Amino acid sequence: SQTIHQWPATLVQPVGSPLSLECTVEGTSNPNLYWYRQAAGRGLQLLFYSVGIGQISSEVPQNLSASRPQDRQFILSSKKLLLSDSGFYLCAWSRGGQVGSTWGYTFGSGTRLTVV
Amino acid sequence: GEDVEQSLFLSVREGDSSVINCTYTDSSSTYLYWYKQEPGAGLQLLTYIFSNMDMKQDQRLTVLLNKKDKHLSLRIADTQTGDSAIYFCAESPNTGGFKTIFGAGTRLFVKA
Repeated sequence: SQTIHQWPATLVQPVGSPLSLECTVEGTSNPNLYWYRQAAGRGLQLLFYSVGIGQISSEVPQNLSASRPQDRQFILSSKKLLLSDSGFYLCAWSRGGQVGSTWGYTFGSGTRLTVV
Repeated sequence: GEDVEQSLFLSVREGDSSVINCTYTDSSSTYLYWYKQEPGAGLQLLTYIFSNMDMKQDQRLTVLLNKKDKHLSLRIADTQTGDSAIYFCAESPNTGGFKTIFGAGTRLFVKA
């Protein structure tokens, strides 16, 4: 069966510090991978998505970046965090090569990032 | 453009039915979805409906699709306190690459 792992679950970082959030998927190959951010009480904002190794699409210009060094690994990074980067970060995967499916997206459990 | 809209809050009494409404803009979507998010957790796929269907029933859940009006609804029968969560409507436009567009979410409060 397919699973998705996202860590850490919570993170408190000072302004100006770097960030690295990791997400890995098991039990499938060539998935589409996504990073979303959810601000408190708000909807989902798509940050990045990837349809293959090294292929990253950015949805929102910001001080975050994403990388996909391996087929089932997706990393969200920042060199210098801002207060506005606080939020709940969610990684998700969907079946590759398809626009929508009966399986939809599978989400990780999320990382609560607080920038202080 | 791509947009999915839904009301932000809904409050119901335990045992009543809940109806969460959503409107979307892209008629090219083959699939439309409802996701549930419990506090502090990721989203879970609740159910989906094909765009060529009008209705889908799955136990206490009924999804209605009005493709002409681009309106999607989720009815939860016999709502329980455990149904309290945020419910997201979503569509996967065939014109939008591999992205799914999510609404802002409807927070359902169930009063005992």
